[in-house]
Amino acid sequence: QVTLRESGPALVKPTQTLTLTCTFSGFSLSTSGMSVSWIRQPPGKALEWLALIDWNDDKYFSTSLKTRLTISKDTSKNQVVLTMTNMGPVDTATFYCARSLYSGYDYWGQGALVTVSS
Amino acid sequence: DIQMTQSPSSLSASVGDRVTITCRASQTIGRYLNWYQQRPGKAPKLLIYAASRLQSGVPSRFSGSGSGTDFTLTISSLQPEDFATYYCQQSYTTPYTFGQGTNLEIK
Repeated sequence: QVTLRESGPALVKPTQTLTLTCTFSGFSLSTSGMSVSWIRQPPGKALEWLALIDWNDDKYFSTSLKTRLTISKDTSKNQVVLTMTNMGPVDTATFYCARSLYSGYDYWGQGALVTVSS
Repeated sequence: DIQMTQSPSSLSASVGDRVTITCRASQTIGRYLNWYQQRPGKAPKLLIYAASRLQSGVPSRFSGSGSGTDFTLTISSLQPEDFATYYCQQSYTTPYTFGQGTNLEIK
């Protein structure tokens, strides 16, 4: 079955760089049309799309955050890594990774809460 | 970026009611519109993709319609487990964007 799991620090200090890893199973990111995205949700607020990497290693980013984000994949390890630089308190959120095969995010990780505080 | 606007932002309804949530895109997105349900403390769940296609395992009381810029999610007869927050999302072009959410509460 398809599963995704986010991992990374629960607490980061302001100005630090956040690195999150999405480890997945049950599908291959080499499959045509497949993609993995990162989506975040500040406490009590709406979902915000951050970044996507697809089977062809094409990468897409949120317009407002693209200068701070990188995304990469390790197909052999079934992992997708997101980095976000210069973290601030407003970046406190639950970060989700999710899979899409052409349309809609049909599988999601359980989410990882990241708090930015000194 | 394409802006997605949902209405209403919140909605009170009773078990058995028929409810409709609307989502409007700031430019045409064809039928590249998805709907999600999110319960508190849980990851979103895909309900509808491509505007009207029911995701596997989702009850048939959920339905979606629309194309271009205007879309609707309808729940034909509310069940207790349907009280949650609903989001629309466009997958027409990156950056993909979500609506601000509709909180469906028990009346």
